[in-house]
Amino acid sequence: DVKVTQSSRYLVKRTGEKVFLECVQDMDHENMFWYRQDPGLGLRLIYFSYDVKMKEKGDIPEGYSVSREKKERFSLILESASTNQTSMYLCASRGPAGGVNEQFFGPGTRLTVL
Amino acid sequence: GENVEQHPSTLSVQEGDSAVIKCTYSDSASNYFPWYKQELGKRPQLIIDIRSNVGEKKDQRIAVTLNKTAKHFSLHITETQPEDSAVYFCAASTDYKLIFGSGTRLLVRP
Repeated sequence: DVKVTQSSRYLVKRTGEKVFLECVQDMDHENMFWYRQDPGLGLRLIYFSYDVKMKEKGDIPEGYSVSREKKERFSLILESASTNQTSMYLCASRGPAGGVNEQFFGPGTRLTVL
Repeated sequence: GENVEQHPSTLSVQEGDSAVIKCTYSDSASNYFPWYKQELGKRPQLIIDIRSNVGEKKDQRIAVTLNKTAKHFSLHITETQPEDSAVYFCAASTDYKLIFGSGTRLLVRP
């Protein structure tokens, strides 16, 4: 079974803090993704990575950055957290294009910024 | 940009009835259409998917249909059960990036 894990289920931070969300997958997947999930808005793509040290902006990258130093780990960074970044954050991974298309999700991190 | 619209946003059905959720997509190059189910407090999980070279796919009580000309696809759940209650997301993809719909909250009343 593919396993995607996230470093925290719940996180509370203060405005202006630097926040790190970590995601690890154990299936040697090339592609990894960060989404935020808000009621009525579905899953919106923040950033994705198709290889180590490679990254591309998704639909809502403002206020976020990412890091992929190792194939199994994809980190989402909030440089200076703001209250409008309070949300559920979901990480996902997927195999190479042309192969199995299923994205496997992590359990999510519910971030609250006060 | 690419866009996926999903309707309805909420759906309430009686146990045993059928449920239908519809999605439309904007990018005619989309070739892969998965459906994810997210139970309360849990991660989204793939329940069925279809590729653009197929018009319909069925897996027990769940089926998905695709109309490429109209750029829409639908999820059909027959003989609904209380455990089908969840949020369902459709998505469309041209490569490895998925564009998700806004979700449908399905409630199956016992």
